[in-house]
Amino acid sequence: SQTIHQWPATLVQPVGSPLSLECTVEGTSNPNLYWYRQAAGRGLQLLFYSVGIGQISSEVPQNLSASRPQDRQFILSSKKLLLSDSGFYLCAWSVNSGPQPQHFGDGTRLSIL
Amino acid sequence: DAKTTQPPSMDCAEGRAANLPCNHSTISGNEYVYWYRQIHSQGPQYIIHGLKNNETNEMASLIITEDRKSSTLILPHATLRDTAVYYCIVSLLGNQFYFGTGTSLTVIP
Repeated sequence: SQTIHQWPATLVQPVGSPLSLECTVEGTSNPNLYWYRQAAGRGLQLLFYSVGIGQISSEVPQNLSASRPQDRQFILSSKKLLLSDSGFYLCAWSVNSGPQPQHFGDGTRLSIL
Repeated sequence: DAKTTQPPSMDCAEGRAANLPCNHSTISGNEYVYWYRQIHSQGPQYIIHGLKNNETNEMASLIITEDRKSSTLILPHATLRDTAVYYCIVSLLGNQFYFGTGTSLTVIP
């Protein structure tokens, strides 16, 4: 069966520091991969999605970037974190064909101080 | 993708059916309806999805009206563990989900 892993579960970072969040999927090949952010008390906002290695689509302009160096690895990065980057970051995957549902990881709660 | 409208909150007695409505009046012919739920501090959990026919799985039933402008998620026998925020999403290919604020369902003992 397919599984998705995100780490770390929680992270506290100072303003201006870099960020790297990693997401990996097991048990499937060539998945679509997604990064979402959820601010406190809000719905999920799609940040990036990828349909293949090196292929990244950005949904909103921001201080963040994403990369997909391997088929089942998706990385969310920032060179300099802002206070507004605080939130709950979620990675998801879906089968790369047809209207298949997305499946989410357990998320990373990021606090910027 | 079409936008959805859900009530912000609902209560349901434990053991009773929970019926969660969703309006998607601008849905196009090829767009699917997906339902997810999110328990506090966890990632969203996929529940069910459908195009035009009613769907049922081990978690819930999805009833889509004939004109497809609205749908209802039914949890047949709600338990305390069903307390969560429920999201209704409409998407053409399932690759771009736009989450609203959902319905906060509270199951009451």
